[in-house]
Amino acid sequence: QKEVEQNSGPLSVPEGAIASLNCTYSDRGSQSFFWYRQYSGKSPELIMSIYSNGDKEDGRFTAQLNKASQYVSLLIRDSQPSDSATYLCAVNWEGNTPLVFGKGTRLSVIA
Amino acid sequence: DAGVIQSPRHEVTEMGQEVTLRCKPISGHNSLFWYRQTMMRGLELLIYFNNNVPIDDSGMPEDRFSAKMPNASFSTLKIQPSEPRDSAVYFCASSPAGGGQDTQYFGPGTRLTVL
Repeated sequence: QKEVEQNSGPLSVPEGAIASLNCTYSDRGSQSFFWYRQYSGKSPELIMSIYSNGDKEDGRFTAQLNKASQYVSLLIRDSQPSDSATYLCAVNWEGNTPLVFGKGTRLSVIA
Repeated sequence: DAGVIQSPRHEVTEMGQEVTLRCKPISGHNSLFWYRQTMMRGLELLIYFNNNVPIDDSGMPEDRFSAKMPNASFSTLKIQPSEPRDSAVYFCASSPAGGGQDTQYFGPGTRLTVL
């Protein structure tokens, strides 16, 4: 059974620090990896996708993928209170199969 | 452009009643997903349509749940009869491509409370 695991948190970081969110998954046949952000009472929204090993940067966000170790992480530099949300990791194993979501990590950035 | 539209946004009903949730995907998207989110279980996929055809309904909890997609611009999720344990936020999402290869765009959700 394909599973995506995340630490539920809360992860608390001071404003301006780097927040590091981690995600592991159960099977090596995975192809696509996504990070969604969900504010309280709102719907998930995509912030990053990554498909190959290594780092992918987009503004203050960096996604890191290591398929051999079966983990994907999200770094948020210069964390802001507005980054406080739940971050969901999602994995696609085969092209035409739906995403499997982790339960999310709650991030709290303290001003 | 309008995003995914869901209605109603909130629904409060009594146990045993029928509940119908509605979704209009983004125009041109080929895939539609229904999810349920609770604190305990997180975001669970209930059913997934591609080109209006149900592809994977293994997440539908039991026969009380049914979903239809009569055309490319409309889908319903029905619960009959509803039970208190069905209380959750139900999200509809759509995607340009099939499966999980592409970005999924979520609607605002329907918060269902079954008393």
